Amino acid sequence: EAGVAQSPRYKIIEKRQSVAFWCNPISGHATLYWYQQILGQGPKLLIQFQNNGVVDDSQLPKDRFSAERLKGVDSTLKIQPAKLEDSAVYLCASSVSGQVSGNEQFFGPGTRLTVL
Amino acid sequence: TQLLEQSPQFLSIQEGENLTVYCNSSSVFSSLQWYRQEPGEGPVLLVTVVTGGEVKKLKRLTFQFGDARKDSSLHITAAQTGDTGLYLCAGAKSGNTPLVFGKGTRLSVIA
Repeated sequence: EAGVAQSPRYKIIEKRQSVAFWCNPISGHATLYWYQQILGQGPKLLIQFQNNGVVDDSQLPKDRFSAERLKGVDSTLKIQPAKLEDSAVYLCASSVSGQVSGNEQFFGPGTRLTVL
Repeated sequence: TQLLEQSPQFLSIQEGENLTVYCNSSSVFSSLQWYRQEPGEGPVLLVTVVTGGEVKKLKRLTFQFGDARKDSSLHITAAQTGDTGLYLCAGAKSGNTPLVFGKGTRLSVIA
């Protein structure tokens, strides 16, 4: 079974530029998550989708971050404009459903973003 | 304020030694998960515990959920170099709420 795919794996941009990340979840997984992991920290949830609807985006900085999951499969996360503090690894995860117990989240390898 | 405090932050031990890492909170969680993350990869789920006092074993790894469901520990027996990685605990306050991750314990096992 193919895992969660993410691209690009690495991205270096200058502050105030825009960047987009792409995620392809495991086939059949209804729930998709985007996390931000700053160096030395654990992952922090940015947004959770159930199919193509947003379940939780309370920690998404909406003035500069946006995400969509058209057709309830692939998802893109965009930052516009980027700030230095956005330097982090952006992880995508998927699960069969949004329930935590008995429902494993599978993570992709992440996109490492460096903002100069 | 970090909801889940993990300790120690860093641990370097010799192969064959035993170790315990901790995950503590003042909040009650309906479930708690432990993940291992290697450099350049996403976290991989090791275990989920849901019942206070629950103990689960995964080969040389033993996980315990505190009676009050506020804390958890991970014990590794006879550590191997392949155990090296970042160990993250993550808790959910209910079945539908998002996971909250601790900062992790970075373990290095030296041959």
